[in-house]
Amino acid sequence: DGGITQSPKYLFRKEGQNVTLSCEQNLNHDAMYWYRQDPGQGLRLIYYSQIVNDFQKGDIAEGYSVSREKKESFPLTVTSAQKNPTAFYLCASSSRDRLSTDTQYFGPGTRLTVL
Amino acid sequence: EDKVVQSPLSLVVHEGDTVTLNCSYEVTNFRSLLWYKQEKKAPTFLFMLTSSGIEKKSGRLSSILDKKELFSILNITATQTGDSAVYLCAVERGTYKYIFGTGTRLKVLA
Repeated sequence: DGGITQSPKYLFRKEGQNVTLSCEQNLNHDAMYWYRQDPGQGLRLIYYSQIVNDFQKGDIAEGYSVSREKKESFPLTVTSAQKNPTAFYLCASSSRDRLSTDTQYFGPGTRLTVL
Repeated sequence: EDKVVQSPLSLVVHEGDTVTLNCSYEVTNFRSLLWYKQEKKAPTFLFMLTSSGIEKKSGRLSSILDKKELFSILNITATQTGDSAVYLCAVERGTYKYIFGTGTRLKVLA
């Protein structure tokens, strides 16, 4: 089955702890993304990566870090510097077609709760 | 500042009604506009629009983009309870950078 997987589905963390969210895709997509979704605020871009070993900050990157060592994987670390980390985190991937248009496909998400 | 605004924020209709959801945008370097349906978790892709005036259709859903007036509409005809969801609009500005609206929550009553 081709798709995007995220783990864990639910995650609880104490304040002051770093936590890493997993995102894996087997769609052979070049680009991968991390979004945060809060009630009433839609999706906000945290980081994106166009290609392996390269990534850029999105609109709300502070307190987060990523790596892109493999094409299939784009883990997100929520650090203790993130002031309000409780949210629903969505990973996505995409591949530009020959017309240079891009469609994102999303994973099932991880709900992070900081206690 | 780039922004995407969706309206209405929420909508309640009865089965069989037709609904129109709106998405207006102000972004630099527009590339495309996308519509997604989010029922519980992962948004699922509906349409991508890049050219003005060309309607995209899929069953009871259709969408069109107006690049002059900077908006798009998503129409759903003969609504069903399974259409109940949050509908998200996203705009790609530049390359690989997306901005999403807050979504329209649609509830279809039997």
